[in-house]
Amino acid sequence: DAGVIQSPRHEVTEMGQEVTLRCKPISGHNSLFWYRQTMMRGLELLIYFNNNVPIDDSGMPEDRFSAKMPNASFSTLKIQPSEPRDSAVYFCASSLTGGRTEAFFGQGTRLTVV
Amino acid sequence: SQQGEEDPQALSIQEGENATMNCSYKTSINNLQWYRQNSGRGLVHLILIRSNEREKHSGRLRVTLDTSKKSSSLLITASRAADTASYFCATALSGGSYIPTFGRGTSLIVHP
Repeated sequence: DAGVIQSPRHEVTEMGQEVTLRCKPISGHNSLFWYRQTMMRGLELLIYFNNNVPIDDSGMPEDRFSAKMPNASFSTLKIQPSEPRDSAVYFCASSLTGGRTEAFFGQGTRLTVV
Repeated sequence: SQQGEEDPQALSIQEGENATMNCSYKTSINNLQWYRQNSGRGLVHLILIRSNEREKHSGRLRVTLDTSKKSSSLLITASRAADTASYFCATALSGGSYIPTFGRGTSLIVHP
């Protein structure tokens, strides 16, 4: 298996633009996580899906952020409109059974909003 | 807020020495996991230890868990320059969705 695949690896956008980050989890995993990493706040959970259903989205910063998982092999994280404070590395991770088993991380998307 | 917090924040040692990192957490857990992150890369899982376990080994890695003190330690023996990375603990809380919640990590530098 190729592991968790995220795209794009880098994204530079202007403030106010819409940004869409993509994730393909490992086949057979039923849990998917989106995390954001910054120097100031460390690694924060944004949202957790189980069997394609959002279970915990309490970490989503505000209404500008939305996430979908239309099927077991694809998820998106959208920011609209983007702001400079959204600049961070966004990670997608998947696991077999939530936090009961190890999570496999993608390489991340480095987002810069100017 | 982070459930687990690593200590120290930074650690610098010579190749061949042992490195010990600690993790403290606040509430009951189902399991605790350690991850490594190389600069500019994603996190890589190292070891998962369940709440009813006290010690686990994997190669040069040894993890202990003391649920009475709500703490864990990661020991890397005979360190190598390639061990240079950030190390994170993640806790999965009991009675919930078992979502891994990460600390801020320990930055380890191993000098050749």
